[in-house]
Order: sequence, then structure tokens, then C-alpha cells
Amino acid sequence: QLQLQESGPGLVEPSETLSLTCTVSGGSVSSRQYFWAWIRQPPGKLLELIGTVYSTGSIYYNPSLRGRATILRDTSKNQVSLKLESATAADTAVYYCARVEAGIAIDYWGQGTLVTVSS
Amino acid sequence: DIVMTQSPLSSPVTLGQTASISCKSSQSLVNSDGHTYLSWLQQRPGQPPRLLIYKISNRFSGVPDRFSGSGAGTDFTLKISRVEADDVGIYYCTQASQNPYTFGQGTKLEI
Repeated sequence: QLQLQESGPGLVEPSETLSLTCTVSGGSVSSRQYFWAWIRQPPGKLLELIGTVYSTGSIYYNPSLRGRATILRDTSKNQVSLKLESATAADTAVYYCARVEAGIAIDYWGQGTLVTVSS
Repeated sequence: DIVMTQSPLSSPVTLGQTASISCKSSQSLVNSDGHTYLSWLQQRPGQPPRLLIYKISNRFSGVPDRFSGSGAGTDFTLKISRVEADDVGIYYCTQASQNPYTFGQGTKLEI
């Protein structure tokens, strides 16, 4: 059974880099059928796509992040990671790792992890 | 970006009755491949979102047939028949026809 588990610090200092890892079990991040996405939800606000890594290895970033996000896929560890530079309070959110099935939809979500940006 | 607008934002329903949620997109969700990537998600309290419906009307694996989706172009509807207590939560529409994928504000279903 597919499981996505986000991990990383729950508290990040302003201006520092927010770093999260998604460990995938029961599936492969190398699969041609699936993409892997990072999505966040700030308190009281909309869900927001951060970016998607495709089966080809190419990556789409939401322009709203203004170039601050980096998503990497590590096939040897079956993980997808997220780094968000120059964090501010506006980056406080629940961060989700999710799988996208090509031609279908975002079909599975991790449990999510709350990251607070504060000093 | 495509804006997804849901209504109502809160929906009180009686057990056994039918709930209906509307989702309108700011532009057509018909993709260049001819498909419409409109999905519905359910988020129960304390849980991550769960896929219910994809490509307007297709139920995802394990989803009861009490959940049904319809619509086309820019107007879409989720119907929940014979509402059960377990259906309490927030329902989101989302589009994957154009990057960035976007989400509605969510509709809170209350019994």
C-alpha cells in the first residue's frame, strides 16, 4: 500500500531555508506513470501547489514562489525533497507531499507536516 | 492562474439527505488532450485530503457510489446521496488541466 511520509523541522527561523523530505513506500518515485508534488496550505488559506517533479525528471515550479523553491527526486532513497529559501511567516503552512497519476489526478496525499516560520 | 470558486462554503445537511456542492472555474478546464481534469477531494477532520472523483465524474478506487460528479467546461457539481455521519469534513474541487494546479476554498459539510 502506498505511503507518503513528510519529515523535517517543524520550526524554521525567518530568512532561513525550509527543508522537507517525502519518503515514499509501496511505490517508486521513478515510475513513469506517476508524478510527485509538494502542496501547502497556510492557516485559513487555499491549498497551493508548490511544484511537481515529472517522470522525466523535469520539474514545474509555481511562479508564486518567485524562484525560492527547489524540488529534488532521489531515486536511490525513493524520496522527494523540498527546499524553500528565505522563509517568512507567510510560508507557515501544512506541507503535503502527494502523488499525481498521469492522466488522472492527485490521487494520494501524505499526512502533512506543519511548518511554522518564527523566531 | 485558474480560480476555482465553490459554493456554498458551508452546507448543513440532515442524515440521509442529499448534499450538493458547486464549483466554478474562471476558465474552461478542457485540456488540449480533450480531457477535463476536474477532481473532488474530501478532507475529514485531522486527515489529509482524499481523492473522491477525478475527470469530472469518475469515482476513485473504494469510493462509494453515493458520491457522484457532473458538469462540463467551467461548471461542476459534487452530489453526496444518503449523507452519513462519516461524510463530515471539507470538500475541495481542484483542477489539473493547467499549471499551476489550483483548488477551491473548500465547502464544510456539517450534519
